[in-house]
Amino acid sequence: NAGVIQTPRHKVTGKGQEATLWCEPISGHSAVFWYRQTIVQGLEFLTYFRNQAPIDDSGMPKERFSAQMPNQSHSTLKIQSTQPQDSAVYLCASSAHRGNTGQLYFGEGSKLTVL
Amino acid sequence: GDSVTQTEGLVTLTEGLPVMLNCTYQTIYSNPFLFWYVQHLNESPRLLLKSFTDNKRTEHQGFHATLHKSSSSFHLQKSSAQLSDSALYYCALSDMNYNQGKLIFGQGTKLSIKP
Repeated sequence: NAGVIQTPRHKVTGKGQEATLWCEPISGHSAVFWYRQTIVQGLEFLTYFRNQAPIDDSGMPKERFSAQMPNQSHSTLKIQSTQPQDSAVYLCASSAHRGNTGQLYFGEGSKLTVL
Repeated sequence: GDSVTQTEGLVTLTEGLPVMLNCTYQTIYSNPFLFWYVQHLNESPRLLLKSFTDNKRTEHQGFHATLHKSSSSFHLQKSSAQLSDSALYYCALSDMNYNQGKLIFGQGTKLSIKP
C-alpha cells in the first residue's frame, strides 16, 4: 500500500499567484480530508469529501480557497491570490468509510511558502 | 463548537521519567471519540491510540490513556520516557455518530526528552 500521496512536496509562490496542491488517497478509502499545519495554529481542519461528495468545508477560507474531488483517486486544493499568511504545510488524509473508527492516514504534506 | 485543549506547548523531560500530556475537550455530542496522534520530525502525523469507551484504559507502544467523560479528559501517559519519544503529540476529537472521521485537533504538545 503506497499510502496517501501528495504533490508537490514543496511549492514556493509569489504573493498573488495561484497554488494547486494534489492528493491521491489510499486506494479503497472513501473519505479525504485536508488540513493545514502551522506552528502557531497546529492542525486546522479545512474540508473533507466522502465518496467524492463535499461534506464539510467549514474550515475553508471562503474567498480564495477551493477543493475538488473529481474522482475517487484524486483531490485538489486550490488557493487563489496567495498571501504570506497562507504559508503552511497542507496535509491530506484519507480514511475508510466502512468500519470507520475515525483513524486518518496522512500524507507527507505539501509545504507552501508564499513570498 | 467542538474543541480540544492541550495546555502544554512544550514538555521537556529527562529520559526515564514519567510522561503525562494533558488533553481536555468540549463537545455537544454524547459519543466522543478521542485520539492521540504523534508526529516525529519530518514525518506526517500517525495514530498512537484511540478510545470511545468511558473509563477504560487503552494502551499502545508503552503509552496509555483513559477517556473520562465526567471530566472531558483524555490525558496521555507513559511510565518511563525514552529519547525516541521526542515528537509532537496531538490530541483529537471526533464524534462516533455524526461527522465520523472529521477530527478536531488540539494545538499540540512538543515533547522533548533529554538524556
